[in-house]
Amino acid sequence: AAGVIQSPRHLIKEKRETATLKCYPIPRHDTVYWYQQGPGQDPQFLISFYEKMQSDKGSIPDRFSAQQFSDYHSELNMSSLELGDSALYFCASSLGGTIDGNQPQHFGDGTRLSIL
Amino acid sequence: KNQVEQSPQSLIILEGKNCTLQCNYTVSPFSNLRWYKQDTGRGPVSLTIMTFSENTKSNGRYTATLDADTKQSSLHITASQLSDSASYICVVSGRKGGNAGNMLTFGGGTRLMVKP
Repeated sequence: AAGVIQSPRHLIKEKRETATLKCYPIPRHDTVYWYQQGPGQDPQFLISFYEKMQSDKGSIPDRFSAQQFSDYHSELNMSSLELGDSALYFCASSLGGTIDGNQPQHFGDGTRLSIL
Repeated sequence: KNQVEQSPQSLIILEGKNCTLQCNYTVSPFSNLRWYKQDTGRGPVSLTIMTFSENTKSNGRYTATLDADTKQSSLHITASQLSDSASYICVVSGRKGGNAGNMLTFGGGTRLMVKP
């Protein structure tokens, strides 16, 4: 069965650069969630989208933005990168969900972002 | 502050044995509690989702219990297999509109190792 696809799997950037992470949800899933997991830390919810509109907002920095496109894929744009942005970024998708809903979230394998 | 605490932090068991992982939380108001299995370098995989009114839910050899009064949950793994070696993460979702911060709180996980 098709799963959540994230690209790239690994990304290396320098401070103050920009990065774009992509997430392709499971076919027919209309909700996408972004999480950030720092080294040795618990995942932190960043933001989610339902039907191409922002649904819930978590601890996403102002330097980051995200959107969901008409084909339901989502992109997380990160600017003015800092060393502390080095983390594993997960995307999850579900069908008709909100962050406090009961729909199962299916996770991708993440993008590992390293800031030099 | 909303917290989700898991115990033990790590656990080693022999193949074929059973084990129980614990999760205590203080998230309020409560929406649901999820157990995830996460292999190293992979995204979390949903095992169970339980709402306030559910006391137990099974998924194959995994059985989760929930006591919403004491704010405790457990994940019982029966007849463990080598492939069960992973981190098991408890995630509690607060209800939107409450004081649950970003509405999703992750536990620190229990790292389970199953030995032959």
